[in-house]
Amino acid sequence: EAQVTQNPRYLITVTGKKLTVTCSQNMNHEYMSWYRQDPGLGLRQIYYSMNVEVTDKGDVPEGYKVSRKEKRNFPLILESPSPNQTSLYFCASSSTGKSYTEAFFGQGTRLTVV
Amino acid sequence: AQSVTQLDSQVPVFEEAPVELRCNYSSSVSVYLFWYVQYPNQGLQLLLKYLSGSTLVESINGFEAEFNKSQTSFHLRKPSVHISDTAEYFCAVIPVSYNTDKLIFGTGTRLQVFP
Repeated sequence: EAQVTQNPRYLITVTGKKLTVTCSQNMNHEYMSWYRQDPGLGLRQIYYSMNVEVTDKGDVPEGYKVSRKEKRNFPLILESPSPNQTSLYFCASSSTGKSYTEAFFGQGTRLTVV
Repeated sequence: AQSVTQLDSQVPVFEEAPVELRCNYSSSVSVYLFWYVQYPNQGLQLLLKYLSGSTLVESINGFEAEFNKSQTSFHLRKPSVHISDTAEYFCAVIPVSYNTDKLIFGTGTRLQVFP
């Protein structure tokens, strides 16, 4: 079954304690990205990756890091989380260019930073 | 730059009534258009999409949307809603000519269906 898997689904942490949210896809997609969802703002892109070792900033990258060492994995790293990073996070993957059909999303990670 | 406007943040409707969720976009280049649905405590699921061809697209659960290039709209409609359609609906676009799969989302419309 084609899927994007995020872990954990829920996370409560304290300010400044480094954390990683994992994302894995089994569709051999080149493009992967992270979004955050906030009430009244919709989804905004944090970072994206066009392929292995190729990453770039999205619209709201401050306070986040990513890496793409393998095609299937795209972890989101918060080196020093702050309360304003409390949000619902989604990972997505898709094929690129002329073979594009749709983006597949993970189930989401609800992060609370206290 | 592209932007997506969903004019209604909430749409309350009674079961079996028709509904329309509005979506307008702004773009200087051609776009692909999407509607995603988010059921409570779940991730986003693709509802329907327009990539090319017929401007009227349909989903398996009775929703349809029509791409209107002159009005830059992609409104979502259903002639008779069910309680199970209660969810948040997001309209999104991707610019066709750019070398990116970045989805640009609207702010969402919460559809609440009452018995």
